[in-house]
Amino acid sequence: DQQVKQNSPSLSVQEGRISILNCDYTNSMFDYFLWYKKYPAEGPTFLISISSIKDKNEDGRFTVFLNKSAKHLSLHIVPSQPGDSAVYFCAATSPRGNTPLVFGKGTRLSVIA
Amino acid sequence: DGGITQSPKYLFRKEGQNVTLSCEQNLNHDAMYWYRQDPGQGLRLIYYSQIVNDFQKGDIAEGYSVSREKKESFPLTVTSAQKNPTAFYLCASTIYRDPTGELFFGEGSRLTVL
Repeated sequence: DQQVKQNSPSLSVQEGRISILNCDYTNSMFDYFLWYKKYPAEGPTFLISISSIKDKNEDGRFTVFLNKSAKHLSLHIVPSQPGDSAVYFCAATSPRGNTPLVFGKGTRLSVIA
Repeated sequence: DGGITQSPKYLFRKEGQNVTLSCEQNLNHDAMYWYRQDPGQGLRLIYYSQIVNDFQKGDIAEGYSVSREKKESFPLTVTSAQKNPTAFYLCASTIYRDPTGELFFGEGSRLTVL
């Protein structure tokens, strides 16, 4: 029973365009959400996060949107660059960080030059 | 520099052998975690430890064992009971009760069973 779902295994986007990666969750107790980026044969690195008290968080080219009523979040990358090509994992935690992160299966983003 | 060190990066094992993957951190983090990554499966939690001398099973603990004798170290043993051990293993750490839950990961260890 997946609590965090990333339904798109892969996504291809042209360089300079917007990349939108989606994530859905089922556990209404989740109160903090994170996105990680992972290159092959490396550990994931933290990208951006959002608390359940917000609906948007922005950091440079990366913006995460949270829709609590729909239990849905999305990561927007604008403009997309070839170096953004990686696997992106959505993760969630609750309550107040005392439980391990629950990860989605990831979405492989390919940015085509 | 502070960080998490996993070793070895690549490991080959014959069927029936136990192997131990090392994870050391100098971030003074309280909690440490082991995840396994398989293609199309995302990151699945094997074991975690929030304080020294205590650890809990994750979602896929069968065939694995851990110890947490020191705050800095959280080794993972893949036993012969693990039916499909070939995978990429990731160790992570965080401050206990960090409300953000942000994990810091090591570079990973790839285990291949021959």
